[in-house]
Amino acid sequence: RKEVEQDPGPFNVPEGATVAFNCTYSNSASQSFFWYRQDCRKEPKLLMSVYSSGNEDGRFTAQLNRASQYISLLIRDSKLSDSATYLCVVYRNQFYFGTGTSLTVIP
Amino acid sequence: GAVVSQHPSWVICKSGTSVKIECRSLDFQATTMFWYRQFPKQSLMLMATSNEGSKATYEQGVEKDKFLINHASLTLSTLTVTSAHPEDSSFYICSARGHDSGGAYNEQFFGPGTRLTVL
Repeated sequence: RKEVEQDPGPFNVPEGATVAFNCTYSNSASQSFFWYRQDCRKEPKLLMSVYSSGNEDGRFTAQLNRASQYISLLIRDSKLSDSATYLCVVYRNQFYFGTGTSLTVIP
Repeated sequence: GAVVSQHPSWVICKSGTSVKIECRSLDFQATTMFWYRQFPKQSLMLMATSNEGSKATYEQGVEKDKFLINHASLTLSTLTVTSAHPEDSSFYICSARGHDSGGAYNEQFFGPGTRLTVL
């Protein structure tokens, strides 16, 4: 079973829409959780860490449910510049990456 | 934030040649560096972990004699793809992690990647 599973999408949404991505992880001993953003042919960049209490950074809200081993990312008021692949990443002695969810925001 | 550079950013080579990729941490000392490989539409897969001054630890399925890793200093790690073949064509990304003076874990920073195409 994969360490991290994500719906690959693609998600095509109009500007201003709210979109949610989900991710599950297989090992309950996982220690830290992140969402990374990867633009085409570029390296991943940290978007935000994810905490059990939930955390928000502007239009982005991340949630972690340890009991369900489930991580989510919510993007409100989508912008064209949000178009990218969003990687769910879990840390347990090393980083484990999901395959990514592709988002295209349409004008 | 910290910066990690990679060189070259892209390379095209003939089958059978060797290619060296450099990864440098520019403003911090990286005690640990990681090499990843990403095939199109797939996730980043860890190839190996290298600690400065010691041998790299390779992930299962990664041939250590084909992918030579040297981490000779706290700011430089190199990956050499020996006798490259078309199936080695991929996006190779390094990342570097340092520790602060208290020994606490620091964020892992990624290099911009090297796109290797083997003809």
